[in-house]
Amino acid sequence: AQKITQTQPGMFVQEKEAVTLDCTYDTSDQSYGLFWYKQPSSGEMIFLIYQGSYDEQNATEGRYSLNFQKARKSANLVISASQLGDSAMYFCAMREGVRNTGNQFYFGTGTSLTVIP
Amino acid sequence: NAGVTQTPKFQVLKTGQSMTLQCAQDMNHEYMSWYRQDPGMGLRLIHYSVGAGITDQGEVPNGYNVSRSTTEDFPLRLLSAAPSQTSVYFCASSRDRTGGKLFFGSGTQLSVL
Repeated sequence: AQKITQTQPGMFVQEKEAVTLDCTYDTSDQSYGLFWYKQPSSGEMIFLIYQGSYDEQNATEGRYSLNFQKARKSANLVISASQLGDSAMYFCAMREGVRNTGNQFYFGTGTSLTVIP
Repeated sequence: NAGVTQTPKFQVLKTGQSMTLQCAQDMNHEYMSWYRQDPGMGLRLIHYSVGAGITDQGEVPNGYNVSRSTTEDFPLRLLSAAPSQTSVYFCASSRDRTGGKLFFGSGTQLSVL
């Protein structure tokens, strides 16, 4: 089974509108972390936002917020007031504990977001 | 602030050649890892390390070797390159084994002919 599922290969949004990128995850761990990264066409991976499994409030970072629904195992990224510079690939990721040997990170297949002027 | 430094940025190999992708971080991070990124498949973990002298396999370790002799460096070795190893490779580190976000290098685009 996939650890991280992103079902939207491509999304379009009008400039200044909000957009939600979907992410569901699969884990039996009680302690885990959820991340979103942005990859512009230049190729670098840019950290956007983090949510811990025990955090009761949804994480927010500027125009980014993470809609965390633990029972549904979903961690959707909401981008408010989209800008042209938001056009990029977006990856959802999960850090899962692996006993005492450290953490493994799992990434989804990504969603390509295009912001239309 | 160098962060995570990967070299080279681009590399072309012939099938059967060997090479080492270099990765160094200056943040004193315990955790370091290597990923490959292929179209439509996201990033997949190759190997990771939780400290000097400790390495472990990720999701796709075959054909790759790693070692961690210092906290700073975590090289990835391709012993006999195959066309299936054509990919973009990322090195990433995080604070320690208990978590923290991943800091990524700028990536290496590798083509095996």
